[in-house]
Amino acid sequence: QSVLTQPPSVSGAPGQRVTISCTGSSSNIGAGYDVHWYQQLPGTAPKLLIYGNSNRPSGVPDRFSGSKSGTSASLAITGLQAEDEADYYCQSYDSSLSGTWVFGGGTKLTVL
Amino acid sequence: EVQLVESGGGLVQPGRSLRLSCTASGFTFGDYAMSWVRQAPGKGLEWVGFIRSKAYGGTTEYAASVKGRFTISRDDSKSIAYLQMNSLKTEDTAVYYCTRGLLWFGEFHFDYWGQGTLVTVSS
Repeated sequence: QSVLTQPPSVSGAPGQRVTISCTGSSSNIGAGYDVHWYQQLPGTAPKLLIYGNSNRPSGVPDRFSGSKSGTSASLAITGLQAEDEADYYCQSYDSSLSGTWVFGGGTKLTVL
Repeated sequence: EVQLVESGGGLVQPGRSLRLSCTASGFTFGDYAMSWVRQAPGKGLEWVGFIRSKAYGGTTEYAASVKGRFTISRDDSKSIAYLQMNSLKTEDTAVYYCTRGLLWFGEFHFDYWGQGTLVTVSS
C-alpha cells in the first residue's frame, strides 16, 4: 500500500490527452511538499519527467505537464505518442514519523 | 554528461551481507546528495535511503523497512556512494538504483538515475 495513490493503468489513442492522478494526504502533498514525476520505459531505469509540481527538465517535450492542488497532483500528456507507453510514478516527501521520500504505486500507460 | 554506475549486485543468502557501489562522473560529486531507490520484480519504486552532502552535514535517512540493517556512506574523493546491506531478507530482492538528489527550493528530487543493479536474496 503506497503512501501516494495512483491508478494502476490508463490508456489512450495516439494524439489524445490522458491524465494520471496522484493522491496524497496532509503529511505529504497536502502539507505543501512538491510532487515530482518519473517515466520508466520498459526495461530501463526511471527518468525525471516533471519536478517541483510543474517544471520540465531540459529535453522533456512540452506535451508533458504537471499540476498540484490540495492533497493531489496530476500529470497530463497531450498528443499521445506510441513512445509514451511506460510506467509513470509520482514522488513527494512525507513528514510523518521520521520523514521520508515516498513514491506512488505507479501507473501503466498504454497507447492503444 | 552525468553518469551513475551501480555495481556489486548478485545472489546472496538470507542473513548475509552485500555492499553496493555507485560510481559517479560528470559532476562535482561532493556537492550533491545521493539516494538509493529499489524496485522489486514486477513492482513499483521504493525509496531506500539518502545521504546529504558534507556541506549539509553528510547526514543519512532510511526507510523504515531497512533502518538498522542498511547503511549509506560516501567517499567524495572517489566520487562513490555505497549501500551496505546487512541481515538481508528475501523481500530485499530488487533492482537497486543509485540516484542524485537535487536540492531545489528547499526540497530534494532525484534528477539522475543509474541503470540499476540486481540483488537477489535466496537460499
